[in-house]
Amino acid sequence: SQTIHQWPATLVQPVGSPLSLECTVEGTSNPNLYWYRQAAGRGLQLLFYSIGIDQISSEVPQNLSASRPQDRQFILSSKKLLLSDSGFYLCAWSEAGAADTQYFGPGTRLTVL
Amino acid sequence: GQQVMQIPQYQHVQEGEDFTTYCNSSTTLSNIQWYKQRPGGHPVFLIQLVKSGEVKKQKRLTFQFGEAKKNSSLHITATQTTDVGTYFCAGRSRDYKLSFGAGTTVTVRA
Repeated sequence: SQTIHQWPATLVQPVGSPLSLECTVEGTSNPNLYWYRQAAGRGLQLLFYSIGIDQISSEVPQNLSASRPQDRQFILSSKKLLLSDSGFYLCAWSEAGAADTQYFGPGTRLTVL
Repeated sequence: GQQVMQIPQYQHVQEGEDFTTYCNSSTTLSNIQWYKQRPGGHPVFLIQLVKSGEVKKQKRLTFQFGEAKKNSSLHITATQTTDVGTYFCAGRSRDYKLSFGAGTTVTVRA
């Protein structure tokens, strides 16, 4: 069966510090991968999606970046965090091809102070 | 671009009562999906609707896809405390992305 992992689960970082969040998927090949951000009490904002290794699409301009160095690994990064980067970051995967059912990881709760 | 809107944003329900949450898209959808996020948790897939006018049931939950494939609804009967959480609809048009609604956050009064 497929599983999706995210770490860390929680993170407190000072403004201006770098960020690296990791997501890995097991049990499937060539998945579509997604990064979402959820502000407190809000909906899901799509940040990045990837349909293959080194194929990243950005949905919103920001100081975040994403990379997919391996088929089932998706990394969200920042060189300098802003206060507004605080939120709940969710990684998700779906089967290759059309974006049907998305399976979410447990999320990383980021607080920027 | 495609926009998916959900109403209401918040739903306070007396235990045992019914309620409905609605989802509307600015464009025709290939399919629509519903997810539930428990407090402190992550979204979990509930169901997908594909056909025009499709209706699916999961116990006390009834999901409907509009004839024009631009709107959907989730109706919960006899609400229980286990129904607490945020319900998201998500629509797919043609590409690899889903557009999520802002969600309806449900609280239940015992």
